[in-house]
Amino acid sequence: EAQVTQNPRYLITVTGKKLTVTCSQNMNHEYMSWYRQDPGLGLRQIYYSMNVEVTDKGDVPEGYKVSRKEKRNFPLILESPSPNQTSLYFCASVFNYGSFEQFFGPGTRLTVL
Amino acid sequence: QKEVEQNSGPLSVPEGAIASLNCTYSDRGSQSFFWYRQYSGKSPELIMSIYSNGDKEDGRFTAQLNKASQYVSLLIRDSQPSDSATYLCAANNNDMRFGAGTRLTVKP
Repeated sequence: EAQVTQNPRYLITVTGKKLTVTCSQNMNHEYMSWYRQDPGLGLRQIYYSMNVEVTDKGDVPEGYKVSRKEKRNFPLILESPSPNQTSLYFCASVFNYGSFEQFFGPGTRLTVL
Repeated sequence: QKEVEQNSGPLSVPEGAIASLNCTYSDRGSQSFFWYRQYSGKSPELIMSIYSNGDKEDGRFTAQLNKASQYVSLLIRDSQPSDSATYLCAANNNDMRFGAGTRLTVKP
């Protein structure tokens, strides 16, 4: 089954404790991205990757890192999480590169205390 | 600043009516436009994409694009309670911009 998976789905952590949210897609998509969704603000892009070893900042990259060492995986790293990073996070990949019709993962709800 | 604006709603329509959702965007370079449906606690799912001025129909859904007015809309005919969700508008010009979403409630 074609899908985008994220882990963990729910995470409660404390300020400053490094964490990684994994994202994996099995569709051989080149383009992947991370979004955060906050009430009233909609989806905001954090980082995106056009291909392996090619990443770039989105609208809200501060406090986040990403890597793209293989095509299928695009982890999101929070080196020192803070409470303002409490949010719902979505990974997405493009199943039609020319038109950017993105397919979203199930989401990760992160709470930073 | 590239913005996509939507009325937050909630928009409430009776079952069987037409629901009209609107969206404006500020980046004139945007080339493709999308409507996603998001149920509470779930991920967005693509329901329509549109790239050219005019209307595009898919079942009960019609997307309308007017690039001169920088306006995108989504019409849902014969609205059903299962259409109750938040609808996200997105515009793409090498990076995807989303609106905050309009919450639609269809009352039986």
